[in-house]
Amino acid sequence: DQQVKQNSPSLSVQEGRISILNCDYTNSMFDYFLWYKKYPAEGPTFLISISSIKDKNEDGRFTVFLNKSAKHLSLHIVPSQPGDSAVYFCAASGSGNRGSTLGRLYFGRGTQLTVWP
Amino acid sequence: EAQVTQNPRYLITVTGKKLTVTCSQNMNHEYMSWYRQDPGLGLRQIYYSMNVEVTDKGDVPEGYKVSRKEKRNFPLILESPSPNQTSLYFCASRLQGAVGYTFGSGTRLTVV
Repeated sequence: DQQVKQNSPSLSVQEGRISILNCDYTNSMFDYFLWYKKYPAEGPTFLISISSIKDKNEDGRFTVFLNKSAKHLSLHIVPSQPGDSAVYFCAASGSGNRGSTLGRLYFGRGTQLTVWP
Repeated sequence: EAQVTQNPRYLITVTGKKLTVTCSQNMNHEYMSWYRQDPGLGLRQIYYSMNVEVTDKGDVPEGYKVSRKEKRNFPLILESPSPNQTSLYFCASRLQGAVGYTFGSGTRLTVV
């Protein structure tokens, strides 16, 4: 059973607008949540993360929001640019504390973001 | 340059012929891991290692073996490949205490 879910396989947004990518998880023991970006023929690259004790983390145009009660996180990209077009993976990991498994990283199925001019 | 290097990038093989995909990192990372990516399924963890001689199963370990004899290398071994192992494979590494893994560029494997 998938512990990290991305229910939207694709998202199309106009350049300059906000892109919002969503992710849900089932395991309340996760300590960190991450977003990876993947271009074709390349490996995933780390974008931004958030600790489970925070509800927001911002890095330039990218902001991740975490709603622990809803087991939901989202990635906001403002403003969106054509170079942001890629597959975005949500991932979750444990720190080894509270029964969570160290070393494991659980991924969602990804959302293809297309930013058009 | 700090990186995770996988070889080969592309491989076509026949069912049952043993193969090894190599992975090496030059960042002195303790943790290393293998993932496979399949359409509609995202990235699934095959095996991971928390240090030399310490390995554990991920979500889809069947049909794969790994070894971690040295800190920098984490080869993935398919003893008897089958067509359902046709996939895109990624090796990754991270420092103990870090949050995110650094990924290699991938190995596209086709088993016919």
